[in-house]
Amino acid sequence: GAGVSQSPRYKVAKRGQDVALRCDPISGHVSLFWYQQALGQGPEFLTYFQNEAQLDKSGLPSDRFFAERPEGSVSTLKIQRTQQEDSAVYLCASSFNRVLGTEAFFGQGTRLTVV
Amino acid sequence: GDSVTQMEGPVTLSEEAFLTINCTYTATGYPSLFWYVQYPGEGLQLLLKATKADDKGSNKGFEATYRKETTSFHLEKGSVQVSDSAVYFCALNSGGGADGLTFGKGTHLIIQP
Repeated sequence: GAGVSQSPRYKVAKRGQDVALRCDPISGHVSLFWYQQALGQGPEFLTYFQNEAQLDKSGLPSDRFFAERPEGSVSTLKIQRTQQEDSAVYLCASSFNRVLGTEAFFGQGTRLTVV
Repeated sequence: GDSVTQMEGPVTLSEEAFLTINCTYTATGYPSLFWYVQYPGEGLQLLLKATKADDKGSNKGFEATYRKETTSFHLEKGSVQVSDSAVYFCALNSGGGADGLTFGKGTHLIIQP
């Protein structure tokens, strides 16, 4: 596709449920990022992949959060045993390479509401 | 750690007014600086960027100059339009092992006809 695609766009989960959020980056983009954006806040970094390697997961808030990119393309962010504080928009971004200053292209995000 | 502080909104202006959205930062090393914009119902888009001191980024009539001495990257536009209504985010990437962008909280801009 022409841009970064995320699915689903909206997800309502009951507290304690596991969820999986999908990101299709722009074809050929080496770098892939996940961010969490709480209401009224800026996005906060969660994790970074270079191809299939997860090089930085310092932003993941707890061990309930897990991300993978097994073939260096599509990525999945999984949240186990969701809590109300996990309610946020989850953004995926991709960029052509890792060079400082390279533009990152963002998807429209998945809005997760935990009830 | 890295941080970005930008003026809080909402900022409401009349069409053709002059716009300034302030952004200051704290970072290790020599960061690259960005302004991203989010139009209603759309994803974040890069508006402009600057990668070294004194560089000026510009796009769609918007400008921002990388000021290392004041650690600032203020966004300006001489004459805003209704279509500029959006949320604007200042961000930085300092590298050095920090792979992601650090964002400010965003400034909601409302332009009235």
